[in-house]
Amino acid sequence: GAVVSQHPSWVICKSGTSVKIECRSLDFQATTMFWYRQFPKQSLMLMATSNEGSKATYEQGVEKDKFLINHASLTLSTLTVTSAHPEDSSFYICSARDPRGANTGELFFGEGSRLTVL
Amino acid sequence: AQSVSQHNHHVILSEAASLELGCNYSYGGTVNLFWYVQYPGQHLQLLLKYFSGAPLVKAIKRYEAEFIKSKFSFNLRKPSVQWSDTAEYFCAVGDSWGKLQFGAGTQVVVTP
Repeated sequence: GAVVSQHPSWVICKSGTSVKIECRSLDFQATTMFWYRQFPKQSLMLMATSNEGSKATYEQGVEKDKFLINHASLTLSTLTVTSAHPEDSSFYICSARDPRGANTGELFFGEGSRLTVL
Repeated sequence: AQSVSQHNHHVILSEAASLELGCNYSYGGTVNLFWYVQYPGQHLQLLLKYFSGAPLVKAIKRYEAEFIKSKFSFNLRKPSVQWSDTAEYFCAVGDSWGKLQFGAGTQVVVTP
């Protein structure tokens, strides 16, 4: 199947700093990527839909000024957590749809990025 | 709004036991239904999906799921589990735009 890769897989930062997480589709082009977050022992919650060349669409309750999303190319979307605080500590996962052939409709997930804010 | 409910948060089974994980959803339109699995230390990956057609969907390793429209359910089954089936299983509902709503997940532990 298609490959989605995230970087970094693990990051610790001080409160008040900003952290950027990258999501790349390695062997296909993705016009749309999705960002999720997962709190311990909870489900994945969709944060936003990242659209190549246009503004991201945020889910209700997600602060767009805090979670900046940029989808500058067909293979890269970035999530920047600005002025991070301890409550932003979470597991962030991106996904992308491979538009080719039999994979249509299937989302491929990155390995996730664990953010810990001290 | 969409919602997905998984009935069990934790399931512990012995090898060779049968597995059934419940999933109910609520959504007003046409839904696409998915089961994803996350093995320890690995990415989430698709186990099986239902878009249309025959309501019983079969996947690798003898997993299957049945879409029952009248019950808004998409339960996952496997007749005989192995230790390697230990994982977290997520049911998800997708709309026509491709956004997924996930259930809370069920942690399945298979003991030798």
